[in-house]
Amino acid sequence: DADVTQTPRNRITKTGKRIMLECSQTKGHDRMYWYRQDPGLGLQLIYYSFDVKDINKGEISDGYSVSRQAQAKFSLSLESAIPNQTALYFCATMDYNTGELFFGEGSRLTVL
Amino acid sequence: AQRVTQPEKLLSVFKGAPVELKCNYSYSGSPELFWYVQYSRQRLQLLLRHISRESIKGFTADLNKGETSFHLKKPFAQEEDSAMYYCALTGGSNYKLTFGKGTLLTVNP
Repeated sequence: DADVTQTPRNRITKTGKRIMLECSQTKGHDRMYWYRQDPGLGLQLIYYSFDVKDINKGEISDGYSVSRQAQAKFSLSLESAIPNQTALYFCATMDYNTGELFFGEGSRLTVL
Repeated sequence: AQRVTQPEKLLSVFKGAPVELKCNYSYSGSPELFWYVQYSRQRLQLLLRHISRESIKGFTADLNKGETSFHLKKPFAQEEDSAMYYCALTGGSNYKLTFGKGTLLTVNP
């Protein structure tokens, strides 16, 4: 079944550590997104990519970087994690024809 | 700039009562609007989009351009409707989906 898969699902790390969250998809969609979910703040867009060579900053890109290694893979990195980056992170792909987003199950990151 | 406002963080109703989740938007062009839902321990998923004018699980939403609103309605709420609901907007060809802060709906027995 075509899907969006995120790894790791849960991660606890310390301040200053480098963290990578990975996303892979089998839907064949060109458009991929990383969102952050915080209680009371909803979903905020971190980065998005329309293809391997087209990467764009979202609303809250500071402190994050991304890599689009292939159409199917879009990774989010925290170069030096800080406690206020503790959140639930979602990867999503977009169906170009309908505009519908398909989400992964989320990666819960805790920075101590 | 595009913005989505969901004024209610929490909404609690009794089973069988009507429910309306409010969504207002700001966008200078012609927006495409969506409602996404997140049930407990499940992924975010699309509930409905304004362009298809469909009813899903008894929910409907009408785009009111004059009031810049896209409220989600259901005449008779069910306990299984309890979830977090997000209104979202994308403008034209930018394919950048902006979400509201969400409304947590609780349907009490």
